[in-house]
Amino acid sequence: GEDVEQSLFLSVREGDSSVINCTYTDSSSTYLYWYKQEPGAGLQLLTYIFSNMDMKQDQRLTVLLNKKDKHLSLRIADTQTGDSAIYFCAESMDNAGNMLTFGGGTRLMVKP
Amino acid sequence: EPEVTQTPSHQVTQMGQEVILRCVPISNHLYFYWYRQILGQKVEFLVSFYNNEISEKSEIFDDQFSVERPDGSNFTLKIRSTKLEDSAMYFCASSEFATSGLTFYEQYFGPGTRLTVT
Repeated sequence: GEDVEQSLFLSVREGDSSVINCTYTDSSSTYLYWYKQEPGAGLQLLTYIFSNMDMKQDQRLTVLLNKKDKHLSLRIADTQTGDSAIYFCAESMDNAGNMLTFGGGTRLMVKP
Repeated sequence: EPEVTQTPSHQVTQMGQEVILRCVPISNHLYFYWYRQILGQKVEFLVSFYNNEISEKSEIFDDQFSVERPDGSNFTLKIRSTKLEDSAMYFCASSEFATSGLTFYEQYFGPGTRLTVT
């Protein structure tokens, strides 16, 4: 079945760039997503990328997709303390009823 | 901004009891979902629901689980006879339509209900 993997933890200094990585196994993924979870809150969609794209930029966020290596990354430029949260990579496929398959989440800690 | 709400925020129940977790999806949304996250593990899909029917379910969603849209606003997850391993955070989500091809519809998540089975 599908599997999505992420590293558990990332620590950066305020103002630096953060890069969170994700690998997935299913080559038929249609969309790939990055969700953010702050303490006590639900999952908030940050950005998504359609599988025929290599890159998507949205303000401070850059998503890179390498379909050959099944690798997805999220770069946050000028990371702020408010970016401290858990970031989840996820995928979905057209023929799977919009089911999202999530990675385990990467906890980003931003130090002042 | 419209949001998905869930009640209660925390539910404690004894093993073998039935629980109903409630969700109010965003009002014009037609697709509804339940996910769960056992502590320290991944968020897992349970079920999707459209037009008063289950459209997709995972292996986790066995006979002890059921979903219902009892009225025009609520979407519920019932667990008939809870087990210790049902302890988890349960997230409800909704989307306006189903994502298909190049047409994307975001799944909006509620804040979750923490279920503790003792």
